[in-house]
Amino acid sequence: KQEVTQIPAALSVPEGENLVLNCSFTDSAIYNLQWFRQDPGKGLTSLLLIQSSQREQTSGRLNASLDKSSGRSTLYIAASQPGDSATYLCAVAVDSSYKLIFGSGTRLLVRP
Amino acid sequence: NAGVTQTPKFRVLKTGQSMTLLCAQDMNHEYMYWYRQDPGMGLRLIHYSVGEGTTAKGEVPDGYNVSRLKKQNFLLGLESAAPSQTSVYFCASSYNPGGTEAFFGQGTRLTVV
Repeated sequence: KQEVTQIPAALSVPEGENLVLNCSFTDSAIYNLQWFRQDPGKGLTSLLLIQSSQREQTSGRLNASLDKSSGRSTLYIAASQPGDSATYLCAVAVDSSYKLIFGSGTRLLVRP
Repeated sequence: NAGVTQTPKFRVLKTGQSMTLLCAQDMNHEYMYWYRQDPGMGLRLIHYSVGEGTTAKGEVPDGYNVSRLKKQNFLLGLESAAPSQTSVYFCASSYNPGGTEAFFGQGTRLTVV
C-alpha cells in the first residue's frame, strides 16, 4: 500500500530564507506527483505537477524535484515571503485513474 | 473560468438526515473525485469516477454514494448522516488531452450533530 510522508510537519523561518520541504513515498510505481498549497479554511491550489518520467519542474520561486528510485520529492522555495505561509501538501497518483494519495502536509510560517 | 465548484459551502445536519453535495467542473475533465479531510488524517479518497456513468470506491466509501450522470457533475450523497461524517469534503477533477493535473474545489464544511 502506497504511503506518503512529509517532513517536517511544521516549519518556521525568517523572511528571505531559502527552504526545502520533503516528501517521501513507499512505492516508486507512480504516475505523477503533485505539490499543493492550502491556506487555512480554503481549498487546495496546485503548485507543480511532475510526471513520472520527469526529474523536476519550476514555477517562479518554486522548484520541485522527483527521484522515483529513492521515493523522494523536494519542494524548494527561494527567497521566502510572509505570503508563502500556508500548508504544503504532496500527493502521488498511483494508477491510470490518477487518484491521489496525500501526505499530511508541512505547515509553513514565514516570519516578517 | 470557474474551474471546480462545490455547493453548498457549509452545512449542519442532524444525525440520520440525508443530503447531497454537488460538484461541477467546466474543464472537460474525464475524471472526478471526492475526498474528505480530517485533522491528523490528511485527505482520503471516498469515491471517484473515470467517466460519465462510471463510479468506483476509494479508501473510505462506507456511508456514501455517488453518481456521475453528466460528465461535468459528480454528486456525493449521505443517506443517513453520522457524527463520524463531520469533515471537510473536497471535490477534484483531472485528465483531459491537455494533461493530468488535479484541480480542487473550495470545499464543503459539513457538521453532523
